[in-house]
Amino acid sequence: AQSVTQLDSHVSVSEGTPVLLRCNYSSSYSPSLFWYVQHPNKGLQLLLKYTSAATLVKGINGFEAEFKKSETSFHLTKPSAHMSDAAEYFCVVSARGSQGNLIFGKGTKLSVKP
Amino acid sequence: NAGVTQTPKFQVLKTGQSMTLQCAQDMNHEYMSWYRQDPGMGLRLIHYSVGAGITDQGEVPNGYNVSRSTTEDFPLRLLSAAPSQTSVYFCASSSPERTNYGYTFGSGTRLTVV
Repeated sequence: AQSVTQLDSHVSVSEGTPVLLRCNYSSSYSPSLFWYVQHPNKGLQLLLKYTSAATLVKGINGFEAEFKKSETSFHLTKPSAHMSDAAEYFCVVSARGSQGNLIFGKGTKLSVKP
Repeated sequence: NAGVTQTPKFQVLKTGQSMTLQCAQDMNHEYMSWYRQDPGMGLRLIHYSVGAGITDQGEVPNGYNVSRSTTEDFPLRLLSAAPSQTSVYFCASSSPERTNYGYTFGSGTRLTVV
């Protein structure tokens, strides 16, 4: 069985400071992992994906995530937060044998203070 | 523009009414899924389909019905709406070759059952 745990339901940072959103996963297979972002009252946008290539994955808008198999983690980071980064972020796993269906974490709401 | 189209964007139903949420994609994707999003719960899989004529249940299928008569369309039917079905519904599509690259999501349908 696969599962995803986002360790913080809410993260607040000041503009210009680093962002860290934490995600741990559990999977019986080698997983594909994703981060999606959802701005208020909007749909879901793919930020980045890990598919067993490089363990450090770069995404859009300066975000990146590192796949650490030994820690079963896939934390999302950004060196310097921008006001426009305020949104909800979902860590997602898709594993073989599940027809590619996605299992979502409960989400982390990121607030950015001026 | 290519993508996943959901209609309607907003809907208010009375308890006991039935309705169909429409989802169409023009990318020739085999995989299509329906998710519901509730505060603090992330997105949960309702039903999914791996091709025309093939559907299966996800995590929260009760009260919902689906069919897949064409590759393009995957409607979600609420048989007898209940207040517990108040949620935001997202349709998503992908293909077997692309599941490692993430799903494409529609913009969502916000449903309120009173």
